[in-house]
Amino acid sequence: GAGVSQSPRYKVAKRGQDVALRCDPISGHVSLFWYQQALGQGPEFLTYFQNEAQLDKSGLPSDRFFAERPEGSVSTLKIQRTQQEDSAVYLCASSLQRGAGTQYFGPGTRLTVL
Amino acid sequence: DQQVKQNSPSLSVQEGRISILNCDYTNSMFDYFLWYKKYPAEGPTFLISISSIKDKNEDGRFTVFLNKSAKHLSLHIVPSQPGDSAVYFCAAKNSGGSNYKLTFGKGTLLTVNP
Repeated sequence: GAGVSQSPRYKVAKRGQDVALRCDPISGHVSLFWYQQALGQGPEFLTYFQNEAQLDKSGLPSDRFFAERPEGSVSTLKIQRTQQEDSAVYLCASSLQRGAGTQYFGPGTRLTVL
Repeated sequence: DQQVKQNSPSLSVQEGRISILNCDYTNSMFDYFLWYKKYPAEGPTFLISISSIKDKNEDGRFTVFLNKSAKHLSLHIVPSQPGDSAVYFCAAKNSGGSNYKLTFGKGTLLTVNP
């Protein structure tokens, strides 16, 4: 079956541009997560959705970061006015259960801000 | 402050021998631990987990050991195979709190030489 997919796989943005990163979770998965992985680091939690509800956005680094999952399936992570420190791999994961449960990761979107 | 630490950035072993990857944690609230494996250009894949009520969990060639008093866990791979070459991430969570939020270490690059 299809796993978690993300698009684009690579994105280059000029500083100040807005970007939108898409995540298609595994069909039927209730929970969806976004993580940021900087170079040489492990993934760091950004936000958590249960269906369409964003239950935790404590990891979003600034108000330039915004995530949505309006129909409880596809999710978009938007970064406004990108900065060089936003350069990272953005990973999306989904889980069948609410909250706890094995998280299945997508391949990530590598964002480079010039 | 890193709450999950993987102090060895890399490890190289011969095919057929044992690989031991180590992980330390500082947050005493963590009570569930996971290992993820990551190949280049792919997302992390769940490998094995252990609850703090156990001190060992085994799945085929993979065994995770947990020493709660030392706040230390290790992943043993026996025998190691070239296909095991990947980055291994240790992750932890508090199942009583935000039970979905994984905290990752920086990862250890395992290279298994034929």
